[in-house]
Amino acid sequence: NAGVTQTPKFRVLKTGQSMTLLCAQDMNHEYMYWYRQDPGMGLRLIHYSVGEGTTAKGEVPDGYNVSRLKKQNFLLGLESAAPSQTSVYFCASRRRSRGLAGVSTSYEQYFGPGTRLTVT
Amino acid sequence: GENVEQHPSTLSVQEGDSAVIKCTYSDSASNYFPWYKQELGKRPQLIIDIRSNVGEKKDQRIAVTLNKTAKHFSLHITETQPEDSAVYFCAAIDPLNSGYALNFGKGTSLLVTP
Repeated sequence: NAGVTQTPKFRVLKTGQSMTLLCAQDMNHEYMYWYRQDPGMGLRLIHYSVGEGTTAKGEVPDGYNVSRLKKQNFLLGLESAAPSQTSVYFCASRRRSRGLAGVSTSYEQYFGPGTRLTVT
Repeated sequence: GENVEQHPSTLSVQEGDSAVIKCTYSDSASNYFPWYKQELGKRPQLIIDIRSNVGEKKDQRIAVTLNKTAKHFSLHITETQPEDSAVYFCAAIDPLNSGYALNFGKGTSLLVTP
């Protein structure tokens, strides 16, 4: 199993350009997440998905769009890149696990290797 | 939403000493608290986690303690080694929102000097 993979690993964009970051997982996980990591800020949630065809906003969604057309893929799009979007982007996934009374029994997230994006 | 505070932001210890990193959280409904280690240029790696129904958990030289009443949890690393040098992040799950996404602290840069 490859686990969680991200494409590309590095990218430099000019302000106003667009691009799509691809996250893929081969673990049949239901949940997928996009985080960004900036120096001194920890990781912050951009968007997330609880299943194929569903997406929702996280803490810092402005300037990003996402799609989850296939269960194994979660795409993050930047329509018009800005220097403030210079960051390292991490994708993560987790499985849905239900125990008694519908309580989730597994919260562990598996992270991809990251995409380093620079917007000039 | 959940707010996670982490201290200290930097920590330097001598090899063999212990290191302690502390985190507080704001949402009393949070019930899962993982710790991640991140080496330079790498992805965060889960090193230990604890659920809200447990007060302490150990894994060799690493332990985590949780005080639900005070809403704080701590990472303890004993007999530190140079390879423990990395950035450590605490996190808490928001069980009611964001699809069980993680809310991270801002990280602690640990340096273990030989």
